[in-house]
Amino acid sequence: AQSVTQPDIHITVSEGASLELRCNYSYGATPYLFWYVQSPGQGLQLLLKYFSGDTLVQGIKGFEAEFKRSQSSFNLRKPSVHWSDAAEYFCAAGYNKLIFGAGTRLAVHP
Amino acid sequence: EAQVTQNPRYLITVTGKKLTVTCSQNMNHEYMSWYRQDPGLGLRQIYYSMNVEVTDKGDVPEGYKVSRKEKRNFPLILESPSPNQTSLYFCASSLTSLPYNEQFFGPGTRLTVL
Repeated sequence: AQSVTQPDIHITVSEGASLELRCNYSYGATPYLFWYVQSPGQGLQLLLKYFSGDTLVQGIKGFEAEFKRSQSSFNLRKPSVHWSDAAEYFCAAGYNKLIFGAGTRLAVHP
Repeated sequence: EAQVTQNPRYLITVTGKKLTVTCSQNMNHEYMSWYRQDPGLGLRQIYYSMNVEVTDKGDVPEGYKVSRKEKRNFPLILESPSPNQTSLYFCASSLTSLPYNEQFFGPGTRLTVL
C-alpha cells in the first residue's frame, strides 16, 4: 500500500542549530513529493516540492530538501533554525491524490 | 487577497445535530477538497471535487456529505455527527487536480462532537 512515513513525531533543536526532518515514502514509482508547514492555528503552507530533475530542491523560508531514490526518502533541511520555525511539518506524496505523513512537531529552544 | 476561508473556525456540538462547515475560495480554482487532521494520522482526504457538480469520495468519506453548486464554494455537511468526527478539518483548493498545482489550505475548523 502507498504510504508516507515521518519517523520523528517530535524534534527539539536550539536556535541557530541545523535541522533535518526525515520522510520516507512507499510507492510503486517515484511520486511527486512535497513538504508543508503548519504554524499554530494556521492552515498548511507549501514549503517546497519535487517532481523531477535536480534532487536538491530549494524552498521558501530557507528550507531545502533532498530526494534520494535509493532510500525512498525526501528529507527536509535547514542550516540554521529560527525560533519562528517552530511548527508542525508534513511530508506528502502522490500523483493525483496526496498522502500525508503523520507530521513532525518542531520545537525551538532559545 | 487570494485565500481559502472556512466557517466556523471552532464548533462544539452534540451527537446527531446536523451541521455544515462552509468553505469558499476566491482564486477561481477548479479543484477543492476536504481533509481531517487527527493526531498521529496526518491529513486524510474526506471528499474532493474536480469542478462544479463533480464530487467524489476520498479516503474517509463515511458520515460526511459535500456539494459543489458553485465553483467558489464547497461546504462539508455532517448529517448526524458522532464523537468520532471530533477533529480538525481543512478545506483546500488548487487550480486543477494535477499535483504540480499548489494546494492552498484554509485556516481550519476545530470540531468537537459531545
